Amino acid sequence: EVQLVESGGGLVKPGGSLRLSCAASGFDFISYSMNWVRQAPGKGLEWVSSISSTSVYKYCADSVKGRFTISRDNAQNSFYLQMNSLRAEDTAVYYCARETIFGLSAFDIWGQGTMVTVSS
Amino acid sequence: SSELTQDPAVSVALGQTVRITCHGDSLTNYYASWYQQKPGQAPLLVIYNKNNRPSGIPDRFSGSSSGNTASLTITGAQAEDEADYYCNSRDRSGQHVVFGGGTKLTVL
Repeated sequence: EVQLVESGGGLVKPGGSLRLSCAASGFDFISYSMNWVRQAPGKGLEWVSSISSTSVYKYCADSVKGRFTISRDNAQNSFYLQMNSLRAEDTAVYYCARETIFGLSAFDIWGQGTMVTVSS
Repeated sequence: SSELTQDPAVSVALGQTVRITCHGDSLTNYYASWYQQKPGQAPLLVIYNKNNRPSGIPDRFSGSSSGNTASLTITGAQAEDEADYYCNSRDRSGQHVVFGGGTKLTVL
């Protein structure tokens, strides 16, 4: 079964750090670009960051630039989001998502999401 | 602020046809994809590459594009289609991904 499973969410104080993980299974992980997308409570989807199949290209939204870092380990079929200097506005469900083999910014497989709460 | 604009809410009578639109300058260069999201669930891709449906998506869902506007059409809306719908695409730089603000579809 093709699936993505996130982990690492939780409650953290402002200024703190968290590392999210996304474990992939059921497909040839090394062939796909991967993404993080978040959704604040009651709000819409916001793209956070993307990483190409061999980590050559990494991009992140302006709202997290300089604070969040995306990485991947193809040997472990996993990718990650290191989140530093967290703010209250980073509170959201964080989804990992696979981009289709065609690219096109179409995300065809999503994880179930992991909640990140930034609060004192 | 999002570079893709959607109407916040749309309603449709059961069995009728509804079009949900997405506007943005980047859509003149990049196709939109469309996602359905029901409460408490992860988004589900329903249309990509303008008008391609992933396996398992009913053929009542279709996509189109003209100029800076992409559209998702549901022909013969069903009660289970009630959900939030989001478009996404690349931004004008081509490096970042952007999502529309979402459209809440109510099936009456």
